[in-house]
Amino acid sequence: EAGVTQFPSHSVIEKGQTVTLRCDPISGHDNLYWYRRVMGKEIKFLLHFVKESKQDESGMPNNRFLAERTGGTYSTLKVQPAELEDSGVYFCASSLKFREGYTFGSGTRLTVV
Amino acid sequence: AQSVTQPDIHITVSEGASLELRCNYSYGATPYLFWYVQSPGQGLQLLLKYFSGDTLVQGIKGFEAEFKRSQSSFNLRKPSVHWSDAAEYFCAVAPSAGNNRKLIWGLGTSLAVNP
Repeated sequence: EAGVTQFPSHSVIEKGQTVTLRCDPISGHDNLYWYRRVMGKEIKFLLHFVKESKQDESGMPNNRFLAERTGGTYSTLKVQPAELEDSGVYFCASSLKFREGYTFGSGTRLTVV
Repeated sequence: AQSVTQPDIHITVSEGASLELRCNYSYGATPYLFWYVQSPGQGLQLLLKYFSGDTLVQGIKGFEAEFKRSQSSFNLRKPSVHWSDAAEYFCAVAPSAGNNRKLIWGLGTSLAVNP
């Protein structure tokens, strides 16, 4: 089966611009998660979708971040406007059942200059 | 506060040597426990997980981990390291009750393998 796909793999944008990250989960996985790793820090949870609904968005840093999952399939994470501290690697993961563990994508490395 | 500590930021071992990566957690109740690995250019891959039962857990790629409740630890081990094991290793925990499914992560341990 195809894995979790994220694109772009890298993005370099200027402060104040908008960037949209996309995640295609494994087909049939209702659970979709976004995580972020800022350089030198631990990986942090951003949010969790169950199908198209946001189950938990407690980790979203602020209202410059908007996540959507239309139709319960792929998800997008938009950062608008981007700030320097948004730089990091954004990981997406999906799962059918939590006890089976997540499958992660390769991540999107975002650099804001 | 809930936290995961991986005391070793970087470890270097020789190929064929044994390996132990440490992980300690601070949590209200025994959580679910995970080890993930990230090889260069790859995503995070699940090595093994502990939910309940036998405290010695076998994973992929010849890794195992032992849960020790009294020490709040979940150390990862491998008897003989291969050059392909060079990667970054992450310990993570999640609550074992309720609907909260977010992982709390350690900082990671970067493993280098000398030939």
